[in-house]
Amino acid sequence: DTGVSQNPRHKITKRGQNVTFRCDPISEHNRLYWYRQTLGQGPEFLTYFQNEAQLEKSRLLSDRFSAERPKGSFSTLEIQRTEQGDSAMYLCASSLGQINNSPLHFGNGTRLTVT
Amino acid sequence: LAKTTQPISMDSYEGQEVNITCSHNNIATNDYITWYQQFPSQGPRFIIQGYKTKVTNEVASLFIPADRKSSTLSLPRVSLSDTAVYYCLVVPSSASKIIFGSGTRLSIRP
Repeated sequence: DTGVSQNPRHKITKRGQNVTFRCDPISEHNRLYWYRQTLGQGPEFLTYFQNEAQLEKSRLLSDRFSAERPKGSFSTLEIQRTEQGDSAMYLCASSLGQINNSPLHFGNGTRLTVT
Repeated sequence: LAKTTQPISMDSYEGQEVNITCSHNNIATNDYITWYQQFPSQGPRFIIQGYKTKVTNEVASLFIPADRKSSTLSLPRVSLSDTAVYYCLVVPSSASKIIFGSGTRLSIRP
């Protein structure tokens, strides 16, 4: 168990640029979640996948955000035309889903700063 | 989805037992109660999970009354390293959309 890996750990970008983050879940985990967290707040749900299928997407997520999990393994989160309000920690988590009410295993996140 | 309410912050001292209570009045029959711990600049870490009565592991205990409308996370003999944010979650058995609240910021003093 190598844990959930997220890359990059930090990203600084200028407003209007596109950014992409990568998440590598624990290998046998079929569920993958993306969250966004700002200072002093709890993680905010963005979306989740069951294998390669994206099953739910938060209504708070604008159409500038897109996530993929093409082969049911790693996932990418892309933000187009970044805005300063997108500055946050982006967290990825994976789990076995319904099996034994498997808990979430989180990575240490990608911190995005939009200048 | 069941909403949770927990204190915004708590303070305690090293060696004390700390109890953090969470209310979840509209918990559904098949929902589980799960607690996570988060340190600065890290992702949340699973602590404990339960459905009813009492669950204990090497880190904490979780007490859930019969009506399941609340739960209490108990941390025995805390140390400075237990300073963190603690989140109480109600998780549907489908483990679909899992929602975090604002958590309880626990500060441990020497």
